[in-house]
Amino acid sequence: AQSVTQLGSHVSVSEGALVLLRCNYSSSVPPYLFWYVQYPNQGLQLLLKYTTGATLVKGINGFEAEFKKSETSFHLTKPSAHMSDAAEYFCAVSEGQAGTALIFGKGTTLSVSS
Amino acid sequence: DVKVTQSSRYLVKRTGEKVFLECVQDMDHENMFWYRQDPGLGLRLIYFSYDVKMKEKGDIPEGYSVSREKKERFSLILESASTNQTSMYLCASTDVAAFTVTFGNGTRLTVT
Repeated sequence: AQSVTQLGSHVSVSEGALVLLRCNYSSSVPPYLFWYVQYPNQGLQLLLKYTTGATLVKGINGFEAEFKKSETSFHLTKPSAHMSDAAEYFCAVSEGQAGTALIFGKGTTLSVSS
Repeated sequence: DVKVTQSSRYLVKRTGEKVFLECVQDMDHENMFWYRQDPGLGLRLIYFSYDVKMKEKGDIPEGYSVSREKKERFSLILESASTNQTSMYLCASTDVAAFTVTFGNGTRLTVT
């Protein structure tokens, strides 16, 4: 069965610092991988997704993630944090077939200090 | 843009009541999903549907049922609400071709 592990329920960075949110997955078939962001009292917004092809995926708001099959990882990064990046971030996996249900990690709350 | 609309943003119900959470999407998507979101637990899949009148159990279906009589509408039913069903409920639908999952804004249900 597929699963997602997000390492660190809370991550704190200073404004301008590198953001690194970790995600590892398990899947018996080539996965589709996603990162979503949720701002307080709002719904989920897609940051980026990996389906096939290039393993480095660029998303909105300067975020990117790299699919590493050998490490079963899909870590999210941003070179320079902004105060507006403070939110909860969710990694999700779907097993290979478009349209199947997403399985989510437990989320990582990102705090950004000035 | 695809819209997934959940009929209520906030809902307060009493223990034992039958509760209906409604979700409507406007893009003729075949696949629809219900999740619940709890702090520290992320989103957990309750039920999903790949077509009208079809339903599949997710990871936590106990205490819930669903109905999909029309393609655009997917209802989550709590047969007898309990306090441990107090949560945020999120509906989603999927564009299979683009594999884009769109979420509604959620219904925050409180059972007292």
